Amino acid sequence: EVQLVESGGGLVQPGGSLRLSCAASGFALSSYWMHWVRQVPGKGLVWVSRINSDGSSTGYADAVKGRFTISRDNAKNTLYLQINSPRAEDTAVYYCARHVTLAGLWFDPRGQGTLVTVS
Amino acid sequence: QSVLTQPPSTSGTPGQRVTVSCSGSSSNIGRNPVNWYQQFPGMAPKVLIYTNNQRPSGVPDRFSGSKSGTSASLAISGLQSEDEADYYCASWDDSLNGWVFGGGTKLTVL
Repeated sequence: EVQLVESGGGLVQPGGSLRLSCAASGFALSSYWMHWVRQVPGKGLVWVSRINSDGSSTGYADAVKGRFTISRDNAKNTLYLQINSPRAEDTAVYYCARHVTLAGLWFDPRGQGTLVTVS
Repeated sequence: QSVLTQPPSTSGTPGQRVTVSCSGSSSNIGRNPVNWYQQFPGMAPKVLIYTNNQRPSGVPDRFSGSKSGTSASLAISGLQSEDEADYYCASWDDSLNGWVFGGGTKLTVL
């Protein structure tokens, strides 16, 4: 059974740092491009970052470029998001999602994401 | 402000048919497939429709999707109370090199 479990969120001060993790199970992480998507409580979904299967290529939304770093450890079946110099506007629930070929972004509907609060 | 445009809310009575529109541009919906997501409070989004009109196993055939040009729509027929949720459209954007989402449509079943 495919499962994505996000963790690592919490309260962080502006200018601090935080590392989010996404533990994957039920499938081989190494076979998929992975993404982070965030959602301010009560607001819409916003794409944050993506990484290709082997980690050699990454992409970021302009709002986080230069401050966030996406990475992965396929041996540990884990995706990461390093958040540096967070701002108040980065406060959100962060979800990880896998890109399924010809089917787009898939989240784990049982997941709850991980809440990052910058204050 | 979201790249894809959806109505913020819609409503219907049980048994009714409702549609949710999603408007984009040539760099996203115009050249890439559209996914639709259903989200309940406190939970991650669930794929309702992928690649414009495909339903994952387990999704009732009351849900259907379509795409034409730079717009897409989600139709829900035989509306049920458990359909009350937020619905989002999404597509890859070739100019932004990232996924773009609609602002979400809150469906209320009266």
